[in-house]
Amino acid sequence: GAVVSQHPSWVICKSGTSVKIECRSLDFQATTMFWYRQFPKQSLMLMATSNEGSKATYEQGVEKDKFLINHASLTLSTLTVTSAHPEDSSFYICSARSQNEGRYLGPQHFGDGTRLSIL
Amino acid sequence: QKEVEQNSGPLSVPEGAIASLNCTYSDRGSQSFFWYRQYSGKSPELIMFIYSNGDKEDGRFTAQLNKASQYVSLLIRDSQPSDSATYLCAVNNGQNFVFGPGTRLSVLP
Repeated sequence: GAVVSQHPSWVICKSGTSVKIECRSLDFQATTMFWYRQFPKQSLMLMATSNEGSKATYEQGVEKDKFLINHASLTLSTLTVTSAHPEDSSFYICSARSQNEGRYLGPQHFGDGTRLSIL
Repeated sequence: QKEVEQNSGPLSVPEGAIASLNCTYSDRGSQSFFWYRQYSGKSPELIMFIYSNGDKEDGRFTAQLNKASQYVSLLIRDSQPSDSATYLCAVNNGQNFVFGPGTRLSVLP
């Protein structure tokens, strides 16, 4: 159980293009989803927390107009990288938090990630 | 002080040995603790979670939690070369889900 599907796996596109990445929880409902970025040999960097039906909360330094997040349902969140440039090339990973275990918050389950290359 | 700390490694152990990975956290109010494994170029994969003090075993993995000392560890018994990866400790303090920087484990055949 607790499967998170992320699509697409790879994107290669020209500078100035907007790219949409989808994140779906397949077998559970996720009120909260997270978007991360990871550069080679570096740690995960949280970009934003996405709550169903409300605006995403962005981490300091992440441009919300650049990285548009929509969490329209309990199973789907999308990240759109607008007017992408080569410096946006990275590995983008989404995660969804599964149900709580009593009073304890449930774990995050990760999608397979999207490798974005902007030429 | 960083919220979640891990030795970056690399930690090298011979095949068949026990690998011990440690993690300390700063927020005493933290309630939920998680271990993830991340292979190079892949996304993190949940291995175990633990909520209560003591040990929790799952196959070759054992998570240990000591809230008084604010540390959580992961033991991997009978280590295999396929266990070579970066292991991420994550702590949830009820408001934030914080990842450590990860420890790189190398299991030598």
